Amino acid sequence: EVQLVQSGAEVKKPGESLKISCKAFGYTFTHYWINWVRQMPGEGLEWMGRIDPDNSKTDYSPTFQGHATISADKSINTAYLQWSSLKASDTAVYYCVRRYDIWTARGTVNYFDPWGQGTLVIVSS
Amino acid sequence: DIQMTQSPSSLSASVEDRVTITCRASQSIGSYLNWYQQKPGQAPDLLIYGASSLQSGVPSRFSGSGSGTDFTLTISSPQPEDFATYYCQQSYSIPHTFGQGTKLEIK
Repeated sequence: EVQLVQSGAEVKKPGESLKISCKAFGYTFTHYWINWVRQMPGEGLEWMGRIDPDNSKTDYSPTFQGHATISADKSINTAYLQWSSLKASDTAVYYCVRRYDIWTARGTVNYFDPWGQGTLVIVSS
Repeated sequence: DIQMTQSPSSLSASVEDRVTITCRASQSIGSYLNWYQQKPGQAPDLLIYGASSLQSGVPSRFSGSGSGTDFTLTISSPQPEDFATYYCQQSYSIPHTFGQGTKLEIK
């Protein structure tokens, strides 16, 4: 079964560092981009950035560039999202999700599937 | 960045209704439009990809249409398990922006 399994909930203080993980099962990890999506309490979905696990090339949304870092270790089929100095505004659920490309009658398109179960990060003094 | 605007932000419907949610992109995105369903406390699930292709296992009461800048998600007769929040997303260019969501509630 293709699935992404994320690390557990975290409670941190402002200024602390954190690294959360996303482990892939059931497919070739290096063949598909992994994306990270933020969902703040009671809010919608925000695309943060992505990584190509084969070569660790990354792209970021301007909103998150410079504050969060995406990485991957292809030897253990795991992607990461990390912060060096958390803020209270980083309190959210973070999802990892695979990008899948597929051919349709309209040409090749892509979508996000499967999603990890989410990691709740609470930043509070 | 491409802005995605969904409407309405919320709606109430009964199981006899036909539900339509619209999504508008700030520029043309071809057919690079996906729809996701999210239930409280759960991760989103893919419903529709490429604007109109139904993901495997998704009931046929869900359908998608549109291209360019205007897209529609239709639920022909919503069942109790369909009352959730729905998001559109463009996968045409990065950042892969989402709409703000539409919460479907039982009337």
